[in-house]
Amino acid sequence: RKEVEQDPGPFNVPEGATVAFNCTYSNSASQSFFWYRQDCRKEPKLLMSVYSSGNEDGRFTAQLNRASQYISLLIRDSKLSDSATYLCVVNGQAGTALIFGKGTTLSVSS
Amino acid sequence: DAGVTQSPTHLIKTRGQHVTLRCSPISGHKSVSWYQQVLGQGPQFIFQYYEKEERGRGNFPDRFSARQFPNYSSELNVNALLLGDSALYLCASSFGLVLGNEQFFGPGTRLTVL
Repeated sequence: RKEVEQDPGPFNVPEGATVAFNCTYSNSASQSFFWYRQDCRKEPKLLMSVYSSGNEDGRFTAQLNRASQYISLLIRDSKLSDSATYLCVVNGQAGTALIFGKGTTLSVSS
Repeated sequence: DAGVTQSPTHLIKTRGQHVTLRCSPISGHKSVSWYQQVLGQGPQFIFQYYEKEERGRGNFPDRFSARQFPNYSSELNVNALLLGDSALYLCASSFGLVLGNEQFFGPGTRLTVL
């Protein structure tokens, strides 16, 4: 089983749509959880950290379920500029090293 | 302030050669990590350094090595290059080793092995 598994993509949605990405992780000792965004041929950039209580940043909402080892990202009112690959990330057994999922590609069209 | 910088941006090598990739962290950051990203996959952890000491190593062969200098910059070395080493090599810096510290990524070095 892979350490971090994400929904296979791609997701193709129209502007204004709501889209949800799901992710599971295998290491129950993981303590830090993130969503990173990566544009084509660019470096990953932190979108948001994920907390047990759930957190929201504008149109983006992240949820964490430790019991199920499940992380989600909800994007409301999708914009063309949201088109990117979204990477689910947890800290690895090496402590602060990051373990990335394969990524889910989102394409928002007008 | 400058972000994480990496050099070179692109590199073409042939099988069997060796390569050195360089990274300068954000000013004040003491931790540098290296990741390999092959096409269609997420980045994979290679090494983490903090205060010039190796603090973590991913599942990569001994052909991969790294070091961190007193100014916190870092080098990644890969010997006996294989075709499968073709990838985007990313360097990330963070202030320390505290869980939850954001890691900031550089633009990467795109290595092609022919």
